[in-house]
Amino acid sequence: IQMTQSPSLLSASVGDRVTLSCKAGQNINNYLAWYQQKLGEAPKLLIYNANSLQTGIPSRFSGSGSGTDYTLTISSLQPEDVATYFCQQYNSWTTFGGGTKLELK
Amino acid sequence: QVNLLQSGAALVKPGASVKLSCKASGYTFTDYYIHWVKQSHGKSLEWIGYINPNSGYTNYNEKFKSKATLTVDKSTNTAYMELSRLTSEDSATYYCTRLRAYVMDAWGQGASVTVSS
Repeated sequence: IQMTQSPSLLSASVGDRVTLSCKAGQNINNYLAWYQQKLGEAPKLLIYNANSLQTGIPSRFSGSGSGTDYTLTISSLQPEDVATYFCQQYNSWTTFGGGTKLELK
Repeated sequence: QVNLLQSGAALVKPGASVKLSCKASGYTFTDYYIHWVKQSHGKSLEWIGYINPNSGYTNYNEKFKSKATLTVDKSTNTAYMELSRLTSEDSATYYCTRLRAYVMDAWGQGASVTVSS
């Protein structure tokens, strides 16, 4: 299943509400996860089952969506949130999106 | 806490093989599948395959079926991935991950493989 993320690059200011999008090629029944990857580090699980927050992840991160369209929202951007974010479907085997690179304006 | 410790960077010649390791600690190794993921420089993530550490059962992404071989050693809580007939296309960072409730909740630090003569 093809996963398409947009935008590929996003510039935002500290305190901004940020929205990242992920579109699946077919209905993935909310089997959608979001990962954060900081430069030089391994990816880290943020959200699973489209909207469930992984233990230890700040509550400013939230996920939503259904069917083919999903969103990761950061309610108030912090400097430590600079990273690349990947979505992943696990409805049929597993595939990842191309990533959204989030930088500070 | 859950930890996956991977082997270090490898520089290998074209046509050779390399075997990467992933040592698990902080949980019962045989309770969770281990998956392997490839990340080419600056690019996205590709699922390679997984192994059930308890049974040794494996399943591979079709693209990697003739490239990767997954094994485990239950006595040392270590998973292995061997990559064969290496080319420049195999130069990448490879991650082992633990699968819990269908998601990858723990990742190794990654192992860089460079294929060059």
